[in-house]
Amino acid sequence: KAGVTQTPRYLIKTRGQQVTLSCSPISGHRSVSWYQQTPGQGLQFLFEYFSETQRNKGNFPGRFSGRQFSNSRSEMNVSTLELGDSALYLCASSLRTGLDGYTFGSGTRLTVV
Amino acid sequence: EDKVVQSPLSLVVHEGDTVTLNCSYEVTNFRSLLWYKQEKKAPTFLFMLTSSGIEKKSGRLSSILDKKELFSILNITATQTGDSAVYLCATFRGGADGLTFGKGTHLIIQP
Repeated sequence: KAGVTQTPRYLIKTRGQQVTLSCSPISGHRSVSWYQQTPGQGLQFLFEYFSETQRNKGNFPGRFSGRQFSNSRSEMNVSTLELGDSALYLCASSLRTGLDGYTFGSGTRLTVV
Repeated sequence: EDKVVQSPLSLVVHEGDTVTLNCSYEVTNFRSLLWYKQEKKAPTFLFMLTSSGIEKKSGRLSSILDKKELFSILNITATQTGDSAVYLCATFRGGADGLTFGKGTHLIIQP
């Protein structure tokens, strides 16, 4: 079966712009979570969605937001980009909010210049 | 604040060696510990451990959890160059809190 699909693979944006990243989970998975990975901080939890509702959010500013659609696809948005937002953004899907583990996508590499 | 600490941070061994990677944690309401392998981008799932003292095995990889001492180890025997990767340990405490990751162990297998 198809894995977790993230688009785009790479993105270059300018400071102050906004960006939208997309994630399609494994078919049948209703939980989607997002992570930011940087060399200094490692992988950090951004937020988790289940059945179109944000269930929890990590310690990130309000510039980071997301949503989930009825087909479980999810988008995350970062507004007013800063240089420090440059990172690999990973999406993970789960059947039952992590009780069965999480499957990760290949990520979107965002570079802010 | 939940904490997951992996050691060593990096490790260089020769093909055929056996390696042991460590993960200790301080997590409230602990439910499970997961190991992932990250080669280029997508972390790939290796093991999920919920019960103490029960070893999980998959080929040359094995892992065990000690819930009393709050740590887990990942063993790789007869290492191959294809085992070179960053190995990530993460804890899950249920609900929608996501995973708490350690910084990873960068393993390099030299031919």
